[in-house]
Order: sequence, then C-alpha cells, then structure tokens
Amino acid sequence: QSALTQPASVSGSPGQSITISCTGTSSDVGGYDYVSWYQHHPGKAPKLIISDVSSRPSGISNRLSASKSGNTASLTISGLQAEDEADYYCTSYTSSNTLAFGGGTKVTVL
Amino acid sequence: QVQLQESGPGLVKTSQTLSLTCTVSGGAISRGGYFWSWIRQHPGKGLEWIGYIFHSGTTYYNPSLESRVAISVDTSKNQFSLKLSSVTAADTAVYYCARDYGGNSHFDQWGPGTLVTVSS
Repeated sequence: QSALTQPASVSGSPGQSITISCTGTSSDVGGYDYVSWYQHHPGKAPKLIISDVSSRPSGISNRLSASKSGNTASLTISGLQAEDEADYYCTSYTSSNTLAFGGGTKVTVL
Repeated sequence: QVQLQESGPGLVKTSQTLSLTCTVSGGAISRGGYFWSWIRQHPGKGLEWIGYIFHSGTTYYNPSLESRVAISVDTSKNQFSLKLSSVTAADTAVYYCARDYGGNSHFDQWGPGTLVTVSS
C-alpha cells in the first residue's frame, strides 16, 4: 500500500484540462513543501515535471501546473495532448527523513 | 549533463543477495547537495523508494526494506551501489538509480533502469 493516495486513472479529451490529486498526511504532503511530480512513459525513465509543490523545471511545458492545500497536492494538465498520455506519480519528503511515492495515476487521452 | 547507468546481474536466485551499481558520468558524485538514490518498480505496479546515500556515506532507507538493504558509495569510482539481501520473487522489479537534489524527492536525473528477476 502506497503512502500517498492517487486516483488509479484519469481521462480527458484533447484540449481539456484534468487534475490528479495526491493525498497524504501532515507528516508528509501537509508538513513540507517538498512534493514532486513525475511523468513516466512505459519503458523509459521517469521525468521530473514539478518540484517543491509547484515549480516547473526548465523545459517543462507551462500547460502543467501544481499546487497544494492541506494534506493534498494536485497536478493539473491543461490543453490535454496525446503526448500527455502516461503514468504520473507524486512523491513527498516525510517526517521520518524518508521519501514516499503515490501509487501512480494512468492518464488516458480519449 | 550528468548521466547515470545501472549495471548488475539480471537474474538472481531466491534467498541470495541482489547487487547493483550505478555509475555516474558528467559530474562528481562528491558534489555537495545531492543524494544518490535507488528506486524500483515492480511489474505493472508503481514506483517504490528504496533509499539514498549522501557522498559522506550517510544513508536513509525505506523502513519496509531497511532490514535487508545497504547502499554504499565509492567516490573514487564515481559509483554508488545497492545490496538487497534474502531476495524473493517479490523483489523482481525494474531498478532505477537517480539523483535527488537536496534529498527532498527532487529526482532530476535518472538511469534508464535495469530489470532484475528473482527466481529459484
């Protein structure tokens, strides 16, 4: 069982916006501004798309945005495109000086 | 541009020790601020953090694996390694090494991953 809870799947049509949630506790997501998001295409290495709750690394599309409220972090993909179809994972630093991943969310572009 | 590459046996026998090495190129592993990590993905499942090491040798492990895992670093070879003892079929997974800036789940560089199968 993953420490952070994500929906198993989210889908949307091209051009639409979707949001993926990542729920933890006050000992991880809610307690630190160290939530990151990763995009993972099968057979490839995961790719960092958001760090420190809402910062986009250089080269990451501004169609991706993220935020946090309480113990829940969220990733929004706007203007959904076929290339966005992938698995998405959140991760957070925890009060035990460890890291926790979410279970992952499969994004399908209809 | 820093690059990471995993290496090691693709097949390990049940109850034996899984050993993998990650070779870092394009930058010194002893450069401050980075934690060198191991992460795995079971077939059809999500990502699981195994643990990480600072260049000084300080380590942090996933509590669920802590009794069986050891991560070490060799700064002279610019490598860090994973040992997982007493493996079972449940340890079959793709194993990734990754660089974490600050140790705060900021994995900015990853190796391509290597599949390790545990079988009797």
